[in-house]
Amino acid sequence: DTGVSQNPRHKITKRGQNVTFRCDPISEHNRLYWYRQTLGQGPEFLTYFQNEAQLEKSRLLSDRFSAERPKGSFSTLEIQRTEQGDSAMYLCASSFQGANTGELFFGEGSRLTVL
Amino acid sequence: AQRVTQPEKLLSVFKGAPVELKCNYSYSGSPELFWYVQYSRQRLQLLLRHISRESIKGFTADLNKGETSFHLKKPFAQEEDSAMYYCALRASSASKIIFGSGTRLSIRP
Repeated sequence: DTGVSQNPRHKITKRGQNVTFRCDPISEHNRLYWYRQTLGQGPEFLTYFQNEAQLEKSRLLSDRFSAERPKGSFSTLEIQRTEQGDSAMYLCASSFQGANTGELFFGEGSRLTVL
Repeated sequence: AQRVTQPEKLLSVFKGAPVELKCNYSYSGSPELFWYVQYSRQRLQLLLRHISRESIKGFTADLNKGETSFHLKKPFAQEEDSAMYYCALRASSASKIIFGSGTRLSIRP
């Protein structure tokens, strides 16, 4: 296991197009988180799953954003009708609830550029 | 509402000098506090958590509930400490983790 994996690493798209990012967590981790990070800012919470259940979604998150984790393993984050303001690094992280350490294991991120 | 504030975007100190990265939080309960670090070209990773009361790579952090602070300290900075440091908060074990805006630590030789 090489850790949390995210694909694609880079995505350039035109405004109005839909994009989808995939995250493969560490295999035994039951929690999965999505964050967004823009230049000069820390990771901003978007949503998180415990197994396949989406437990929390940021109120700041537009309804153009949707995330799924259908079998409690990998997750996808889709952005519909992208806007230039969506340009950011999208980070995925996973953790094992049973350890209860609060330690998140991050992926390398997927960088989105909306032209 | 929960909030984490890191007032310094950049902190530059000489090698061997003491380091203190400031973190203040806003939360009415008893949160868990963390410091995460991102070295150049590496992933964001946990440095330490307040509940463990541990020293990692010479860094320590004490939770001060009266001042709602969780400052990160190291007595003698080393060049390899240069990185982005993020303070983070979790309200409970079932909650999300929120991050501050980060402080870039630069250690001058």
